[in-house]
Amino acid sequence: GAVVSQHPSWVICKSGTSVKIECRSLDFQATTMFWYRQFPKQSLMLMATSNEGSKATYEQGVEKDKFLINHASLTLSTLTVTSAHPEDSSFYICSAGGGRGQGPYNEQFFGPGTRLTVL
Amino acid sequence: AQKITQTQPGMFVQEKEAVTLDCTYDTSDPSYGLFWYKQPSSGEMIFLIYQGSYDQQNATEGRYSLNFQKARKSANLVISASQLGDSAMYFCAMRGISSGTYKYIFGTGTRLKVLA
Repeated sequence: GAVVSQHPSWVICKSGTSVKIECRSLDFQATTMFWYRQFPKQSLMLMATSNEGSKATYEQGVEKDKFLINHASLTLSTLTVTSAHPEDSSFYICSAGGGRGQGPYNEQFFGPGTRLTVL
Repeated sequence: AQKITQTQPGMFVQEKEAVTLDCTYDTSDPSYGLFWYKQPSSGEMIFLIYQGSYDQQNATEGRYSLNFQKARKSANLVISASQLGDSAMYFCAMRGISSGTYKYIFGTGTRLKVLA
């Protein structure tokens, strides 16, 4: 299947700092990528839809100014957690569709995730 | 509104036996896709199998098969000949056309433990 990478795989930062997470589609172009957040032993919660060349679409309850998303190219989307606090500690996962398109019949490929710990 | 329900928070199965993980869904979309993902303790989401709403036959991928009953709105995952490496969290997901961006709706997951 298609390959999606994330960097870094884990990060520890102090409260008040900003952290940038990269999501790359390595062997296909992705006009749309998705960012999820997962708490321990819970399901994935969609945070936002990242659209190449335009603004991200955020889910209800997700702070746009807190979680900045930039989709600068067809292979790269970034999530920046601004002024991180301990409650932002979580597992962040991105996903992207393959070259067959973004329809309901196409599976998403997920990155390996980034574990963020804010001290 | 779309919804995915997984009623089994945890399941045990003996190695080499088959196990069924339940998934029911609710949607008013005429066209949708149903997916199963495996999430081992490492956290990565591994795509297992897909079923389209208009598919007449149940999907199969190696030891994985999807028991799709459209009238009952269920899409159960069947794992045959369970292996120790199958121990993981399993998520059922749905994509429909109403959202426009085809975003996933996930169930709460089922944690499967394969016993030696």
